[in-house]
Amino acid sequence: EPEVTQTPSHQVTQMGQEVILRCVPISNHLYFYWYRQILGQKVEFLVSFYNNEISEKSEIFDDQFSVERPDGSNFTLKIRSTKLEDSAMYFCASKWTGGGEQYFGPGTRLTVT
Amino acid sequence: SQQGEEDPQALSIQEGENATMNCSYKTSINNLQWYRQNSGRGLVHLILIRSNEREKHSGRLRVTLDTSKKSSSLLITASRAADTASYFCATDFRGSNYKLTFGKGTLLTVNP
Repeated sequence: EPEVTQTPSHQVTQMGQEVILRCVPISNHLYFYWYRQILGQKVEFLVSFYNNEISEKSEIFDDQFSVERPDGSNFTLKIRSTKLEDSAMYFCASKWTGGGEQYFGPGTRLTVT
Repeated sequence: SQQGEEDPQALSIQEGENATMNCSYKTSINNLQWYRQNSGRGLVHLILIRSNEREKHSGRLRVTLDTSKKSSSLLITASRAADTASYFCATDFRGSNYKLTFGKGTLLTVNP
């Protein structure tokens, strides 16, 4: 069964460093998302991506964040200069149609020290 | 803004019993989805119910949706220890690019 994959599973970085989190959505899906979950808190929307552009972003998704779909299969989230408060589990998700199920990857645990 | 809120926050039952979790939201929705999350792991999609549906079944899962009360329930029948996890409802609506808004979740513990 097709699934969303994410790498790495765990990333440790120092404050101020850049990180790139990678995702491979399900191949025929058209809508792509990034969410994050700070430990013990609810899952929060970061950004949605459709038709090769950002369709919506949350207040969390400031100028330090960017997304790319460089080659038609990968979907990346970049944080330019990480902060301690960026420590969280980051989930990638994709869906085929607007009204369908949204499938999540296993997540990347980002730890900023 | 819409928001899913589950109750109870925590539920502890014995294996074989049924578990019912509830979710409320604030605005009109397109779909409501339920997810399971084992501790520190990814989100597993369980079931989607559309705004024009009232009930849906999948194996031991039964989901209901009452749009007049803006609420949904997830029933897990004949629970197993392996059902121990956090359960989240998530809602979307057309004007939001179908982004999901999650509740805080219900932590279900099934004791063997």
